[in-house]
Amino acid sequence: EDQVTQSPEALRLQEGESSSLNCSYTVSGLRGLFWYRQDPGKGPEFLFTLYSAGEEKEKERLKATLTKKESFLHITAPKPEDSATYLCAVQADTDKLIFGTGTRLQVFP
Amino acid sequence: NAGVTQTPKFQVLKTGQSMTLQCAQDMNHNSMYWYRQDPGMGLRLIYYSASEGTTDKGEVPNGYNVSRLNKREFSLRLESAAPSQTSVYFCASSEVPLETQYFGPGTRLLVL
Repeated sequence: EDQVTQSPEALRLQEGESSSLNCSYTVSGLRGLFWYRQDPGKGPEFLFTLYSAGEEKEKERLKATLTKKESFLHITAPKPEDSATYLCAVQADTDKLIFGTGTRLQVFP
Repeated sequence: NAGVTQTPKFQVLKTGQSMTLQCAQDMNHNSMYWYRQDPGMGLRLIYYSASEGTTDKGEVPNGYNVSRLNKREFSLRLESAAPSQTSVYFCASSEVPLETQYFGPGTRLLVL
């Protein structure tokens, strides 16, 4: 069965304390992996798309990486404005798009 | 560019009432989607339209109907609302089916 699991469910960081969020997947053929940011009361906002193992994308303090089984979203020296829920979604060969349940990140000054 | 817009922002219904959620996008995207988001369950696809004139069921289509009115607009209808349909509903669009999606601000629906 196609599945996407995100960990941890919640993460509290001090401002400047770097960390990583994980998205592991089991799907029948990966066509794409997407990262989104969601602020409370708002719709998900697109961050990155990764297509193949070894690929990396960067935007400001965020860096997404992809292996054959998982993706990491690395956050370097986070600021309070990085606080949000980060969602991972996987597009499978079966033409399905499966979302994880997200990691809720809180960054304290 | 407004991106993806949804109306209404918030709605309260009684069990058995009907309503239509509206969605429009101004990015000239071919594909549009309706999701529901419930605590602890992630986003679940209700229906999608890969291109104008086509619609397909997603993971949780029961109790819903959709209409792709034209390339810009995709509506979701609840014919007889049930408390289990209390949720936050998001519309999204993409240039290519199931590729990078852009989401609207959501409609919060409470069914009593």
